[in-house]
Amino acid sequence: DAGVTQSPTHLIKTRGQHVTLRCSPISGHKSVSWYQQVLGQGPQFIFQYYEKEERGRGNFPDRFSARQFPNYSSELNVNALLLGDSALYLCASSLGIGNTGELFFGEGSRLTVL
Amino acid sequence: ELKVEQNPLFLSMQEGKNYTIYCNYSTTSDRLYWYRQDPGKSLESLFVLLSNGAVKQEGRLMASLDTKARLSTLHITAAVHDLSATYFCAVLLPSGTYKYIFGTGTRLKVLA
Repeated sequence: DAGVTQSPTHLIKTRGQHVTLRCSPISGHKSVSWYQQVLGQGPQFIFQYYEKEERGRGNFPDRFSARQFPNYSSELNVNALLLGDSALYLCASSLGIGNTGELFFGEGSRLTVL
Repeated sequence: ELKVEQNPLFLSMQEGKNYTIYCNYSTTSDRLYWYRQDPGKSLESLFVLLSNGAVKQEGRLMASLDTKARLSTLHITAAVHDLSATYFCAVLLPSGTYKYIFGTGTRLKVLA
């Protein structure tokens, strides 16, 4: 079975631009969450979606938004990019909190903002 | 706000030695997870601990959870070079939220 897939794997943007990152969860998983990992730090929670509804939001500005589609795939959008947005963006899928809550991560999208 | 702290942050150890990584968290939670991350790679799930007193073992790694002390440990037995990686613990916030808080990470280097 395919794991969590993310695209693109690497991308370079300039300040002020917009970026869309995509994630496909493991088949059967209805929960998708997004994390930002800056080099040398642990992942920071951005969003969680379950059954297409937002179920959690981290301490990120409104420039960050996300959505989940009927097929449970998800997009993370970041507007007006800043240099500090450079990071590895990780998508994780899970069956949901009613189960073990174990997260399965994709390989990530590495964003560089120049 | 929930804080999850790991210590040590860096650990260099000889092959064959034992060591323990500690994960302390600041609020009530009965779900704790351990992940491994290799350089430039994503996170791999190691252990899921769902209740007080839970203990899980896989190979040379053993994880435990004490919810009363708000403490989880990851014990390494007879370390080998392949265990070199960064290890993260993560806590699921209670009350039906879907927010996971990750620890600071412990960067482990096992020397041959």
